[in-house]
Amino acid sequence: DPKIIQKPKYLVAVTGSEKILICEQYLGHNAMYWYRQSAKKPLEFMFSYSYQKLMDNQTASSRFQPQSSKKNHLDLQITALKPDDSATYFCASSQVNTGQLYFGEGSKLTVL
Amino acid sequence: GDSVTQTEGQVALSEEDFLTIHCNYSASGYPTLFWYVQYPGEGPQLLFRASRDKEKGSSRGFEATYDKGTTSFHLRKASVQESDSAVYYCALSDKAGANTGKLTFGHGTILRVHP
Repeated sequence: DPKIIQKPKYLVAVTGSEKILICEQYLGHNAMYWYRQSAKKPLEFMFSYSYQKLMDNQTASSRFQPQSSKKNHLDLQITALKPDDSATYFCASSQVNTGQLYFGEGSKLTVL
Repeated sequence: GDSVTQTEGQVALSEEDFLTIHCNYSASGYPTLFWYVQYPGEGPQLLFRASRDKEKGSSRGFEATYDKGTTSFHLRKASVQESDSAVYYCALSDKAGANTGKLTFGHGTILRVHP
């Protein structure tokens, strides 16, 4: 059974709309992350949270907002969607300061 | 900033061939180096990592040695199988990244192994 659950697996959105990507981890980890994989680009770090607090934010745009309602949840809200936001978004988790990340299966977002 | 370069974008081999995927990095200080593998429809999963010069990481027959002198961490396997077909990513984490979970990834190498 997958230990990191991402929902939905696929989604299509129109330009200007808003979507929320869900991530839950059942590995007992205390740190969670979001990464993005766009076409022809390497996996790119976006955010990290530890004990539900923001540790690092490498996303320039405020349209991307992580939300942590529980320690094993880290959702990603994306507003005012643009076609360039089309990508697969991966949630990951780890024990803090180990650097050993476990990734979910990803949510593939297509913005038309 | 930090960067990881994987020379090969795609590699096509036959079963039992020898595999080498080249990885070179640029980072200040002493980064931790990783190899991740991604199968279709899945997220990347850690193969192994190395944190010190000359340290060898290995898993499932794959291995790589941290070489600070040449800033390299090349992935090798003596005899590949069709089930090894996947995308392989070299990545690094600097000291700050180890605390924040920020990994810098290469572009990835698509490995196709034919029976």
